[in-house]
Amino acid sequence: DTGVSQNPRHKITKRGQNVTFRCDPISEHNRLYWYRQTLGQGPEFLTYFQNEAQLEKSRLLSDRFSAERPKGSFSTLEIQRTEQGDSAMYLCASSPSGTGPYEQYFGPGTRLTVT
Amino acid sequence: AQSVTQPDIHITVSEGASLELRCNYSYGATPYLFWYVQSPGQGLQLLLKYFSGDTLVQGIKGFEAEFKRSQSSFNLRKPSVHWSDAAEYFCAVGGYSSASKIIFGSGTRLSIRP
Repeated sequence: DTGVSQNPRHKITKRGQNVTFRCDPISEHNRLYWYRQTLGQGPEFLTYFQNEAQLEKSRLLSDRFSAERPKGSFSTLEIQRTEQGDSAMYLCASSPSGTGPYEQYFGPGTRLTVT
Repeated sequence: AQSVTQPDIHITVSEGASLELRCNYSYGATPYLFWYVQSPGQGLQLLLKYFSGDTLVQGIKGFEAEFKRSQSSFNLRKPSVHWSDAAEYFCAVGGYSSASKIIFGSGTRLSIRP
């Protein structure tokens, strides 16, 4: 399977703990995106990488959130001092770069529950 | 402001009946439009996309959508639904000038009546 993969699929943590999620994009895709989806809502954009450069961040991405893509391949999303409001599905997507629009291919997501 | 509106939160149709899911968008530039489907506990799967050209686009699983610029709409249709079509459907918009985010609607949950 050469699709987007995310780990872990589920994470339960206590409030105040730090968590880290990993995303492995489709291998030839240069662009990588993170979205957050809460119950009953569509995904909301968090941040975007072109290779290793983080080019855009949503104001939803508070100081407690940090994302990296150190070698332009996989990416990590870390949430520090988790709060109950962070409970959501975190989705990763990737797409090719170059001229013209491209659709984004989504992974299965990581469901975070903060207790 | 850029936005996507899906006015129907939940729709129930009988198996074999036709389906139309509504989507309206607001976007300042040339929009690129998408429909994604999400089954419970799953990620998003692209059903179809509109970038340019023919305003009636065909997708996977027998779905089609029509782009109507004058109405700012991109409604999804299927002539005969199957029980396996029960899922959450999201309309989304992006733009050529933005390589990054896609803006999603809040989704329409489709239930199928046997």
